[in-house]
Amino acid sequence: EVQLVESGGGLVQPGGSLRLSCSASGFIFSIYAMHWVRQAPGKGLEYVSTISSNGATTYYGASVKGRFTISRDDSKNTLYLQMSSLRAGDTAVYHCVKGLGGMVVSAIGYWGRGTLVTVSS
Amino acid sequence: QSALTQPPSVSGSPGQSVTISCTGTSSDVGPYNRVSWYQQPPGTAPKLMIYEVSYRPSGVPDRFSGSKSGNTASLTISGLQAEDEADYYCSSYTSTSTWVFGGGTKVTVL
Repeated sequence: EVQLVESGGGLVQPGGSLRLSCSASGFIFSIYAMHWVRQAPGKGLEYVSTISSNGATTYYGASVKGRFTISRDDSKNTLYLQMSSLRAGDTAVYHCVKGLGGMVVSAIGYWGRGTLVTVSS
Repeated sequence: QSALTQPPSVSGSPGQSVTISCTGTSSDVGPYNRVSWYQQPPGTAPKLMIYEVSYRPSGVPDRFSGSKSGNTASLTISGLQAEDEADYYCSSYTSTSTWVFGGGTKVTVL
């Protein structure tokens, strides 16, 4: 059974940094592209970032480009999202999502329950 | 990248069919058969219902079907059931190699 468990969320001040982790199990982590998608309280889904299966290719949504960095450690079956220069508008539940294949064009597939990030002073 | 356009809400009686539209542009929905649909009941994580316009993952009932014409994709739920009440989101691959989501549609079973 595919399991994705996010951690690292919490309360952070504007301008601060935070690193999210996603521990994956139940599938061969290294052969799948992975994504981060966020959902602000009471709002819709917003694309954040994608990393290819080999980690060589990464993409970011316009609102986070230059501030967030996605990475992966296949030896630990873990996906990361390093977030910096955080703003109030970054407040959301951040979901780790498994792609259906190894390429970035592979559909966003299986979702974790998410971790809440709150940016506030 | 602007969000894809979905109707805020649709409704139907049990047994009826409802269709949700998802309108994009020539930079996302139009040129790619990479449209997906997700179901999100309240308080839960989204679940993939349709991928690559019309393919259903294992375990998704065949009451759910997808299609695309030009810049608009559609999700149809046939034989509507009470358990189908949820928010539904579309997404598409884009020309910048990123993904974009729709604003979401609330499906109400009357």
